[in-house]
Amino acid sequence: DTEVTQTPKHLVMGMTNKKSLKCEQHMGHRAMYWYKQKAKKPPELMFVYSYEKLSINESVPSRFSPECPNSSLLNLHLHALQPEDSALYLCASSQALGTSGAETQYFGPGTRLLVL
Amino acid sequence: AQSVTQLGSHVSVSEGALVLLRCNYSSSVPPYLFWYVQYPNQGLQLLLKYTSAATLVKGINGFEAEFKKSETSFHLTKPSAHMSDAAEYFCAVSETGNQFYFGTGTSLTVIP
Repeated sequence: DTEVTQTPKHLVMGMTNKKSLKCEQHMGHRAMYWYKQKAKKPPELMFVYSYEKLSINESVPSRFSPECPNSSLLNLHLHALQPEDSALYLCASSQALGTSGAETQYFGPGTRLLVL
Repeated sequence: AQSVTQLGSHVSVSEGALVLLRCNYSSSVPPYLFWYVQYPNQGLQLLLKYTSAATLVKGINGFEAEFKKSETSFHLTKPSAHMSDAAEYFCAVSETGNQFYFGTGTSLTVIP
């Protein structure tokens, strides 16, 4: 099973709302990722967790707050977002952050976020 | 840092024709290269990956890619396009620490 699940599929929120995106995998992977993808563009890395610890934060604004409560779950908490934050948010996981770079990343279907 | 160039942001082929999507990389040795496909409103699905075991890599759905070190290329091909192949295709290179560098993507249209 190489499935990464994400909820919700779609989310509409106002600029003053607080919401959370959820990602789950049961492949025993110890690295998990959040990406942001605008239409017709490649995914942009936001955060990387390795063994439940934040490993990479690509200078993401503080209105995005990641959380990794356990090895299977990854959350992205959203607060005071801007309309330009509207995008597809993708979660991915891999076996680990390997020293070789050969690890495949498995992607979820994404959450389509619209900020009004 | 690594980088990937995908020549041709849009490619159109007739159904049954050869599909060729181009990817060139700049990388220190050894590169790890991936092709992903993204259907509308979906996540990325792995088509195939190169990890130095063999230069010709076969993937899912009839796709394959050949690693050519001398040309720093990893082009994706399929002998006969099917309507269901219409999608966005991303080439990616990975380095130590597993950070992916994606190309800008190629949108494939299949004409009936």
